[in-house]
Amino acid sequence: NAGVTQTPKFRILKIGQSMTLQCAQDMNHNYMYWYRQDPGMGLKLIYYSVGAGITDKGEVPNGYNVSRSTTEDFPLRLELAAPSQTSVYFCASSTRDLRGSGYTFGSGTRLTVV
Amino acid sequence: AQSVTQLDSHVSVSEGTPVLLRCNYSSSYSPSLFWYVQHPNKGLQLLLKYTSAATLVKGINGFEAEFKKSETSFHLTKPSAHMSDAAEYFCVVSPTGGFKTIFGAGTRLFVKA
Repeated sequence: NAGVTQTPKFRILKIGQSMTLQCAQDMNHNYMYWYRQDPGMGLKLIYYSVGAGITDKGEVPNGYNVSRSTTEDFPLRLELAAPSQTSVYFCASSTRDLRGSGYTFGSGTRLTVV
Repeated sequence: AQSVTQLDSHVSVSEGTPVLLRCNYSSSYSPSLFWYVQHPNKGLQLLLKYTSAATLVKGINGFEAEFKKSETSFHLTKPSAHMSDAAEYFCVVSPTGGFKTIFGAGTRLFVKA
């Protein structure tokens, strides 16, 4: 049972480059989320999705885009990478009412922009 | 409006002594409350959750938390710390429905031998 799978685990980008962080879940969860975690801070919500074809902005969406073409996949796109986007990114999924284990998190992507 | 405050950024205990990690919250709703643990370079793992059933919630690895509505608190405790408990702990508050979740800033637990 894989849960939530994120790739890559680590990446170094140059300023201005773009990349896509991949996230896939196999629990048939409707809700999926992207968070970023900065040192000494809690997790900040970037984008979320309540089902295939439906996405919405979270607290810190600037500089990112998402899509949700299937229930399983929720990729996060960084356009024109900036040093402020250096962070650890977590993808998560859940049922609508957070039954069971609440949120299931991936193991994270550590991104450095230089 | 919702908020969550973890009252200590760092807590240090000796192995075998009790652990107390404090969390206060505010919410306009009857929230769901969670504690998650994050070991270094790992994702977050659910320790326990409160969803309006019993106010004393037992979780994994001997942790438990008590929901006190009058004090708007959801403190995490463990009777006896183990070296493997050293990690960062997040208190999380969420209204029923998932995406308006707020994470606390985290409490780093150090366990001394």
